[in-house]
Amino acid sequence: DAGVIQSPRHEVTEMGQEVTLRCKPISGHDYLFWYRQTMMRGLELLIYFNNNVPIDDSGMPEDRFSAKMPNASFSTLKIQPSEPRDSAVYFCASSPGGSNTEAFFGQGTRLTVV
Amino acid sequence: GQSLEQPSEVTAVEGAIVQINCTYQTSGFYGLSWYQQHDGGAPTFLSYNALDGLEETGRFSSFLSRSDSYGYLLLQELQMKDSASYFCAVPGYGGATNKLIFGTGTLLAVQP
Repeated sequence: DAGVIQSPRHEVTEMGQEVTLRCKPISGHDYLFWYRQTMMRGLELLIYFNNNVPIDDSGMPEDRFSAKMPNASFSTLKIQPSEPRDSAVYFCASSPGGSNTEAFFGQGTRLTVV
Repeated sequence: GQSLEQPSEVTAVEGAIVQINCTYQTSGFYGLSWYQQHDGGAPTFLSYNALDGLEETGRFSSFLSRSDSYGYLLLQELQMKDSASYFCAVPGYGGATNKLIFGTGTLLAVQP
């Protein structure tokens, strides 16, 4: 398996634009996580899914953020409208679940909102 | 409240031993994990302690004490390539199965 794949790797957008981040988890993994990383706030869990179902979205900062997982091999994180304070690195990670709690991270999407 | 606290920075020299501590506060707890992240890279898994005691993996060891809500990562024979950020993490945070929350992170600088 190629690991967790995220796209794009870098995104620069203007304030007010819609941004969509994409993630392909490792095949067979039951859990998918979206994290945001900034210097000030560290690694924050935004939302996670179990078997494509959102379990906990309490970390989603505002209604401008939404995430979907239409099938086991694809998830999106959307920000609409984007703001400069959304600038961060966004990581997607997947985990097998059960007794195996190891999370495998994608390379991240570096988002800059100007 | 619920939290995982780590020192923000640690500095050590090549060949030395360094210990990175993590204290946690959570209403539900299954175990403690450690991750390494190099600058510009993704976090990668290092170890997981489900039970009290010391787990050794090569130059790295991880310790857990449930009664003290405390764990640490021990890095021996430090190398320059060990310069990175290290995060403790709790899978099952707050008792929620597989909810993975990370600590504040410790930046380790290894000097020649």
